[in-house]
Amino acid sequence: KAGVTQTPRYLIKTRGQQVTLSCSPISGHRSVSWYQQTPGQGLQFLFEYFSETQRNKGNFPGRFSGRQFSNSRSEMNVSTLELGDSALYLCASSSGQLLTGELFFGEGSRLTVL
Amino acid sequence: GQQLNQSPQSMFIQEGEDVSMNCTSSSIFNTWLWYKQDPGEGPVLLIALYKAGELTSNGRLTAQFGITRKDSFLNISASIPSDVGIYFCAGADNNDYKLSFGAGTTVTVRA
Repeated sequence: KAGVTQTPRYLIKTRGQQVTLSCSPISGHRSVSWYQQTPGQGLQFLFEYFSETQRNKGNFPGRFSGRQFSNSRSEMNVSTLELGDSALYLCASSSGQLLTGELFFGEGSRLTVL
Repeated sequence: GQQLNQSPQSMFIQEGEDVSMNCTSSSIFNTWLWYKQDPGEGPVLLIALYKAGELTSNGRLTAQFGITRKDSFLNISASIPSDVGIYFCAGADNNDYKLSFGAGTTVTVRA
């Protein structure tokens, strides 16, 4: 079955712009999580959605937002981009209602802010 | 959120060697996991541990869930070139709906 699909794979923006990233989970998976990955920092949790409801949110400013649609596809948005937002944004999906850790990650969207 | 300390940060190993990395946390977790990330790809789950003291193997990989629930280690036996990559530990508290990740261990294998 198809894996987690993220679009776009690469994008370049300038400071002050906004960006929307998209994630299509594995068919049948209802949980979608987003993580920010920067060199040396590992993966930092952004938010998690299950059946269109945000169940948890990480410690990121309000410029970072997300949503999930009825077909489980998810988007995240970053407004008023800053240089420090340059990172790999990873989406992961999971089948269970409990997040036991068996996350399936996409290849990520690499954002560069100039 | 919880802070996971993963060590070492990087390692250069000779093909055929056994390697070990570990992760400690200030908080307890219900689940410990180990992921591997290859260049240009997302992390892939290697091993999941669900019970304190549990020792689990996946081929040449062995991982253990520490008895205190605050630590875990991963061993790779007889390393091969395709073991190159970044290994991440992660902890899950099932009520949080998130994983807390370590900063990663970068493994480079010398042929």
